[in-house]
Amino acid sequence: NAGVTQTPKFRVLKTGQSMTLLCAQDMNHEYMYWYRQDPGMGLRLIHYSVGEGTTAKGEVPDGYNVSRLKKQNFLLGLESAAPSQTSVYFCASSYNQGDNEQFFGPGTRLTVL
Amino acid sequence: KNQVEQSPQSLIILEGKNCTLQCNYTVSPFSNLRWYKQDTGRGPVSLTIMTFSENTKSNGRYTATLDADTKQSSLHITASQLSDSASYICVVSGYGGATNKLIFGTGTLLAVQP
Repeated sequence: NAGVTQTPKFRVLKTGQSMTLLCAQDMNHEYMYWYRQDPGMGLRLIHYSVGEGTTAKGEVPDGYNVSRLKKQNFLLGLESAAPSQTSVYFCASSYNQGDNEQFFGPGTRLTVL
Repeated sequence: KNQVEQSPQSLIILEGKNCTLQCNYTVSPFSNLRWYKQDTGRGPVSLTIMTFSENTKSNGRYTATLDADTKQSSLHITASQLSDSASYICVVSGYGGATNKLIFGTGTLLAVQP
């Protein structure tokens, strides 16, 4: 049982390049989330999904797109990377919302030059 | 504005000592409060969850308290170990626990020294 996995672990991009971060979970969770974590700030929700085929915007969605084609996968895309998107990105999943615990992946450290 | 503030920002203690981390929140309406532990280079892991009616909850050497009237929570670590070195994040859920209503604190960075 791997839990939540993320690929890649590290990535360096040049401004304007695109990339996709992959999140996978093997816990059969309905809900999946993408967060970014920046120094001195709490985790901020980028996008989330309440089930296969659905996505919704979080607190800081601009510059990102997501897709949930399969229940176990949640992809985060950057179409044209900007230095402001340098951050550590965490994917999480939960069975439901409310009191249900979110399980986090190990994170992806992205640097945009 | 819904906010979660944690103090101190960082803390250094000697192995074996106790410590208490604080979390104040202004999230309303309140659903629950979680404490997460985040080791360096890893994702956060839940330690405890407190709902409105709970005052205290323990998980091994970790004890969380909640005062819903003053909107304060604390996390007490007993007999600290080197492995307790991590960032501790307080997360408050409002609006019936709606997915997009989690408010994360900035964390307290704890360093336990031998």
